[in-house]
Amino acid sequence: GENVEQHPSTLSVQEGDSAVIKCTYSDSASNYFPWYKQELGKRPQLIIDIRSNVGEKKDQRIAVTLNKTAKHFSLHITETQPEDSAVYFCAASIGSGGSNYKLTFGKGTLLTVNP
Amino acid sequence: GAVVSQHPSWVICKSGTSVKIECRSLDFQATTMFWYRQFPKQSLMLMATSNEGSKATYEQGVEKDKFLINHASLTLSTLTVTSAHPEDSSFYICSASAQVGFFGPGTRLTVL
Repeated sequence: GENVEQHPSTLSVQEGDSAVIKCTYSDSASNYFPWYKQELGKRPQLIIDIRSNVGEKKDQRIAVTLNKTAKHFSLHITETQPEDSAVYFCAASIGSGGSNYKLTFGKGTLLTVNP
Repeated sequence: GAVVSQHPSWVICKSGTSVKIECRSLDFQATTMFWYRQFPKQSLMLMATSNEGSKATYEQGVEKDKFLINHASLTLSTLTVTSAHPEDSSFYICSASAQVGFFGPGTRLTVL
C-alpha cells in the first residue's frame, strides 16, 4: 500500500519568515495530494491540494509543488503569521473515484510561528 | 457547499458498552464514505471504507467485529464501537468520496 513520509515533525519560524514542509510517497499511481491544517481539538481543514497533472499550485500565501518523478511534494507558506501555528498533514490518494479516494497521511508537522 | 456531519461530537462511555457514531452527507449522495481514527498527537489512520448497500472494507489490523459499519442509505454511514475499552478512546472522523478531501467534524470518544 501507499506510504507517506513527512518532514520535519516540528518546525519553528519567526513571524514573516517562510515555512516549508516536505512529503514523499511510495505509490506511483497516487495522483491526488491534499494538505491539511489541524488546530487542537478540531477536524483537519483542507488548505490546498494538487493533482498529478499539475506541478505547482498557489493560493495567496500557500503553495504546493509536486515532483512526480521523485515522488515528493511540498507545502510552502510565505509571510507566516502566528495564526498559521497548527499541525499540518500531507496525504496521498489514488483519486479516480469511489473507494480510490481513501487517503494515506503523513505523520504531521507541528508548525510554530513566533511573534 | 457540500457538508458532512457527524453525531455525536463527543461521547463518554463506560468500558464494555457500545457506541454508535453517525456520519451523514447533508446535501449530496455518498455511495462511499471513509472512517478514520486519530489518537492524541498522532496522524489520521484509515479504518475502513464504507460502501452503500454492501459490506465495508477494513484496513489491515482493524477488527471488523469490533468496529461495525453500516451504510444503509446514500446519506448515512454508521460506525459502532462494540464493547469499547479505554484503548478505543480516540477521535473518529469520517469523509465522503464524493467530496474528496473534506472531513466531518469528528467524534471524540472517551472510554472510562
